Amino acid sequence: AQKITQTQPGMFVQEKEAVTLDCTYDTSDPSYGLFWYKQPSSGEMIFLIYQGSYDQQNATEGRYSLNFQKARKSANLVISASQLGDSAMYFCAMRPPGGKLIFGQGTELSVKP
Amino acid sequence: DTEVTQTPKHLVMGMTNKKSLKCEQHMGHRAMYWYKQKAKKPPELMFVYSYEKLSINESVPSRFSPECPNSSLLNLHLHALQPEDSALYLCASSPLLGPAVSSYEQYFGPGTRLTVT
Repeated sequence: AQKITQTQPGMFVQEKEAVTLDCTYDTSDPSYGLFWYKQPSSGEMIFLIYQGSYDQQNATEGRYSLNFQKARKSANLVISASQLGDSAMYFCAMRPPGGKLIFGQGTELSVKP
Repeated sequence: DTEVTQTPKHLVMGMTNKKSLKCEQHMGHRAMYWYKQKAKKPPELMFVYSYEKLSINESVPSRFSPECPNSSLLNLHLHALQPEDSALYLCASSPLLGPAVSSYEQYFGPGTRLTVT
């Protein structure tokens, strides 16, 4: 069965430090996409970063990078130099070909000044 | 432009009311989605439209009725809702829905916060 697991319900990080949000997934499909979304308290789901299962290099987008370890089926999000505006709920998601977006339970990140 | 807009932002309705949620995108996307999200939980898929035809209905109660009048618009008609239907309703779009498009991320709108009294 296809599943996404985020084991950290809540995390704290000091402003300007880096933080890693964990995500593991389970699928038997060889082709899939992995996504991270940020959801502030306002509610909008903001797309952050994407990693394809055949991509050789880890995806990066500004301060966001995805640590993709295919053999371990993990897709951790690394946020460098945390800012107060990074406080939000973060969802990891997976999409198999032609399939539905499968979300993890989310991690609530709080950035401390 | 990666914007999906939703109106209204907030909606309070009684259990006997009829209301509609609206969603619009101008990115030329051919797949549009409705999700329901409870606080601190991941979004739950309700409906998917592909090329203006209903492609997926996740066994949603008939008091929720989706409509896709054209490729840019998606509506969700609400009637005789229950208090447990109170939630954030998110609309999303993606370029396509198909077997070779696992890279196509979904762009979400800001959501409508619905309260049923």
